[in-house]
Amino acid sequence: AQKITQTQPGMFVQEKEAVTLDCTYDTSDPSYGLFWYKQPSSGEMIFLIYQGSYDQQNATEGRYSLNFQKARKSANLVISASQLGDSAMYFCAMGPHTGANSKLTFGKGITLSVRP
Amino acid sequence: KAGVTQTPRYLIKTRGQQVTLSCSPISGHRSVSWYQQTPGQGLQFLFEYFSETQRNKGNFPGRFSGRQFSNSRSEMNVSTLELGDSALYLCASSLPGAPYEQYFGPGTRLTVT
Repeated sequence: AQKITQTQPGMFVQEKEAVTLDCTYDTSDPSYGLFWYKQPSSGEMIFLIYQGSYDQQNATEGRYSLNFQKARKSANLVISASQLGDSAMYFCAMGPHTGANSKLTFGKGITLSVRP
Repeated sequence: KAGVTQTPRYLIKTRGQQVTLSCSPISGHRSVSWYQQTPGQGLQFLFEYFSETQRNKGNFPGRFSGRQFSNSRSEMNVSTLELGDSALYLCASSLPGAPYEQYFGPGTRLTVT
């Protein structure tokens, strides 16, 4: 079974500063993918970044980067130069990298508030 | 390219009724997954459809069902609604063989009174 753990309480960051959102995972699958989604108050889940378990380099997408440490089973999201619009709920999820299903297992999420 | 669309966006139903929610995936995406999000349980996987066949199912009672049509549009149905079914229902679509690219719709917020 796959498990995602997000234990940080609500996070606060000053505008233009960087912030790290923690995510640890557990799985017995040899191949897997790690996702981060942003959910603003409107409810829509916005895809941010993806990391495959065999990827050698950490994934980056604009201001988002994923700090993947396989041995520690962690996949932390780093947001650089925070903006007010980054205030939202952030979910870490695990799913397949390839294969015959698309099921995602989500963590409980972390609330991020960006202060002006 | 249009994103994933879900209809209706908001729904209010009474206990005991049934409800049908619709999801239209991104063009070319043939896999559609459904999730239930509640404050208490978080995001939970309901089921996944691919090429009109259910290929994965979460741990939900039989009152929750779904189907997929030949154009990849999917519907989920909840019968005999309970208060605990009040939730945000999200669907996600992905390309076959590319489950790492999953995009969600805006969700349907269901309230059961």
